[in-house]
Amino acid sequence: EVQLVESGGGLVQPGGSLRLSCAASGFSISSYWMHWVRQAPGKGLVWVSRINSEGSSTSYADSVKGRFSISRDNAKNTLYLQMNSLRAEDTAVYYCARGDNTYVDYWGQGTLVTVSS
Amino acid sequence: DIQMTQSPSSLSASVGDRVTITCRASQSISRYLNWYQQKPGEAPKLLIYAASSLQSGVPSRFIGSGSGTDFTLTISSLQPEDFATYYCQQSYSTPPLTFGGGTKVEIK
Repeated sequence: EVQLVESGGGLVQPGGSLRLSCAASGFSISSYWMHWVRQAPGKGLVWVSRINSEGSSTSYADSVKGRFSISRDNAKNTLYLQMNSLRAEDTAVYYCARGDNTYVDYWGQGTLVTVSS
Repeated sequence: DIQMTQSPSSLSASVGDRVTITCRASQSISRYLNWYQQKPGEAPKLLIYAASSLQSGVPSRFIGSGSGTDFTLTISSLQPEDFATYYCQQSYSTPPLTFGGGTKVEIK
């Protein structure tokens, strides 16, 4: 069974940092592009970032470019999102998801990031 | 970036009703359109990809159609487990992957 389990969310002050992790099981992430998508409370889905299967190509939404960094460890079957210079508007549930470079087919349950003083 | 607009933003329907949700792209996206279902407190789930292809395990009452800029998701006979929010997403020109604003299907 495909499973994606996010961790690392929590409460952080504006300007702070967090590192999210996404542990995959039931498949090898080395065969897939991986994505992060977020959802602010009561709002819709917003794509954040993606990384190719080798980890050599990354892309970011303009809203997080220069502040967030996506990475992966295929040996550990784990995806990461390093989030720096966090702002109140980054408050959201962050989902990791697998797919190809253009869409996602399986999503994790998400981890909540709250940016507040 | 390609903008995706869904309508309506919410609707009320009864079990057994035929429900149609519309998604419009700001430019032609051929058939590069996907639909997701999200129930409260749950992760989204892929329903339909490439405008009309049913994801494995998804009931056949979910029907996707359209091409170019206009797309529809039809639920042929609404079931209790279908009350959820539905999102479209274009995969024609990425990054970014862009989603519609969502359509919440509620019980009448």
